[in-house]
Amino acid sequence: GAVVSQHPSRVICKSGTSVKIECRSLDFQATTMFWYRQFPKQSLMLMATSNEGSKATYEQGVEKDKFLINHASLTLSTLTVTSAHPEDSSFYICSARKTGRDGYTFGSGTRLTVV
Amino acid sequence: QKEVEQNSGPLSVPEGAIASLNCTYSDRGSQSFFWYRQYSGKSPELIMSIYSNGDKEDGRFTAQLNKASQYVSLLIRDSQPSDSATYLCAVSTMNTGFQKLVFGTGTRLLVSP
Repeated sequence: GAVVSQHPSRVICKSGTSVKIECRSLDFQATTMFWYRQFPKQSLMLMATSNEGSKATYEQGVEKDKFLINHASLTLSTLTVTSAHPEDSSFYICSARKTGRDGYTFGSGTRLTVV
Repeated sequence: QKEVEQNSGPLSVPEGAIASLNCTYSDRGSQSFFWYRQYSGKSPELIMSIYSNGDKEDGRFTAQLNKASQYVSLLIRDSQPSDSATYLCAVSTMNTGFQKLVFGTGTRLLVSP
């Protein structure tokens, strides 16, 4: 199988604080992980692609200094939303791709609410 | 032009009918195509993947791919109320040296008992 664990599932934080979201591949090594954001009634929008040991590639319009991505090992990627604001409230989902496979496995998502 | 396009729906079908979901994509170089199902508040789950032209069947689901027309479809036979969800078409594309998955906006399917 290919299992991806994402934590936390829900987080509420105050405006101006930072939040870290973890994404772990449990039974495989993920050379590449992806971070998506989904606003209500909209589709998944790719934020960035992270590769183990190198800098993340951000999609156009995504602030790399605000959404810090670290992929320090083949099983863990983290997304830190810095200085969060209410407009950052969204559903954040990570995805990992197993080496040699084309399939993408998704984490269970993190519902972020900034108050 | 959006990279992956879907009709947002909702598509309403009665229980037991065939639901037909369609998707078009813009990148002719795309090689891998996926259908995901997403229930409200949950993350997407993979239903089907297809890589070559033609049909691919898995239980009640059939994916169809036509690369010349840049068109992918998903047929759901004997639709059940539990199939009610948003169906996302996703296409794997290469960009700046990395392969990434691009999603359509999704089609909301409603299956009535």
